[in-house]
Amino acid sequence: EAGVTQFPSHSVIEKGQTVTLRCDPISGHDNLYWYRRVMGKEIKFLLHFVKESKQDESGMPNNRFLAERTGGTYSTLKVQPAELEDSGVYFCASRLAGGDTQYFGPGTRLTVL
Amino acid sequence: EDQVTQSPEALRLQEGESSSLNCSYTVSGLRGLFWYRQDPGKGPEFLFTLYSAGEEKEKERLKATLTKKESFLHITAPKPEDSATYLCAVQGLGGATNKLIFGTGTLLAVQP
Repeated sequence: EAGVTQFPSHSVIEKGQTVTLRCDPISGHDNLYWYRRVMGKEIKFLLHFVKESKQDESGMPNNRFLAERTGGTYSTLKVQPAELEDSGVYFCASRLAGGDTQYFGPGTRLTVL
Repeated sequence: EDQVTQSPEALRLQEGESSSLNCSYTVSGLRGLFWYRQDPGKGPEFLFTLYSAGEEKEKERLKATLTKKESFLHITAPKPEDSATYLCAVQGLGGATNKLIFGTGTLLAVQP
């Protein structure tokens, strides 16, 4: 069974540009999460989808971040415009309905110059 | 506010030298405590879930235990391939999100 996949693995952009990160969850997992780790800090929750609906977006830093999950399959996280403090590793995780375990993807390392 | 503190930040062991990693937590009702292993450049890999005080889980050289305030990850006779960052995370009972609250991790290096 394929795990959670994320694309790209690494992105380097200039301040003010736009970047879109993609996450493909494990097939059949209705729950999808986005997390972020900035340098030296712990991994922090950003938001949670159940199918195509946002269940909780309390961790989103500001309105420059937009997450979507059209059709309840893959998800995208867009940062527009990117700022220096957005640099970090963005992780996606998925969870089966009724289960407890979140399975993580390899992450996207975002560097904003 | 839910919080997780892990210690030590880094630990260096000789191969075969057993030790324990600590995870202290405060949460308004514990749904579950999770241990993950993370290798460089990869995402967290699930190891264990613990739900109630007194519970223990084992996998190869690893054993996780849970009390009402902390969890320990015991590593028995570690090998170099056990080198990784070990992450602890909790889920609180509040809300329907099941979001994870992470500690900063313990970086374990096992030398041959």
